[in-house]
Amino acid sequence: EAQVTQNPRYLITVTGKKLTVTCSQNMNHEYMSWYRQDPGLGLRQIYYSMNVEVTDKGDVPEGYKVSRKEKRNFPLILESPSPNQTSLYFCASSFLNDRETQYFGPGTRLLVL
Amino acid sequence: AQKVTQAQTEISVVEKEDVTLDCVYETRDTTYYLFWYKQPPSGELVFLIRRNSFDEQNEISGRYSWNFQKSTSSFNFTITASQVVDSAVYFCALSEARGNQGGKLIFGQGTELSVKP
Repeated sequence: EAQVTQNPRYLITVTGKKLTVTCSQNMNHEYMSWYRQDPGLGLRQIYYSMNVEVTDKGDVPEGYKVSRKEKRNFPLILESPSPNQTSLYFCASSFLNDRETQYFGPGTRLLVL
Repeated sequence: AQKVTQAQTEISVVEKEDVTLDCVYETRDTTYYLFWYKQPPSGELVFLIRRNSFDEQNEISGRYSWNFQKSTSSFNFTITASQVVDSAVYFCALSEARGNQGGKLIFGQGTELSVKP
């Protein structure tokens, strides 16, 4: 089954404790991205990647890092989480020549205390 | 700059009523895409529709219909004979066709629809 998976789905952590949210897709998509969803703000793009080893900032990259060492994986790294990073995070992927058709992961709910 | 505005933060209706969710967008691109997504209480995003800027034809899918009007930069979504299962947050989104930012979805703030029995 074609899908985008995210782990963990729920996470409670404390300020400053590094964490990684994984994203994996099995559709051989080149394009992958991360969004965060906050009340009243909708979803905003954090980072995106057009292919292996090619990543770039989205609209709200501060406090996040990403890597794209393999085509299928696009982890989101919070090196020193803060309470303002409490949010619902979505990973998405698509083919580079069909970025209008994006597949979203199920979301990861993060609470930073 | 691109922008999507969903002015209705919350809407509450009684089952079987019709309801329209408004979406107004801003873009300088001549080629772009518009989307609607549904987010039920479980939290996942469910794709509903995609429209490109050259296709102004309205679309109907069962109880759902969409009205795209470039003249007013609007892409409104109507649910006919609403049901309790329609209760969700609905997002309108816009994306550029290509370029470095191609693929980035600009989302509206979302409209929370509550359908009461």
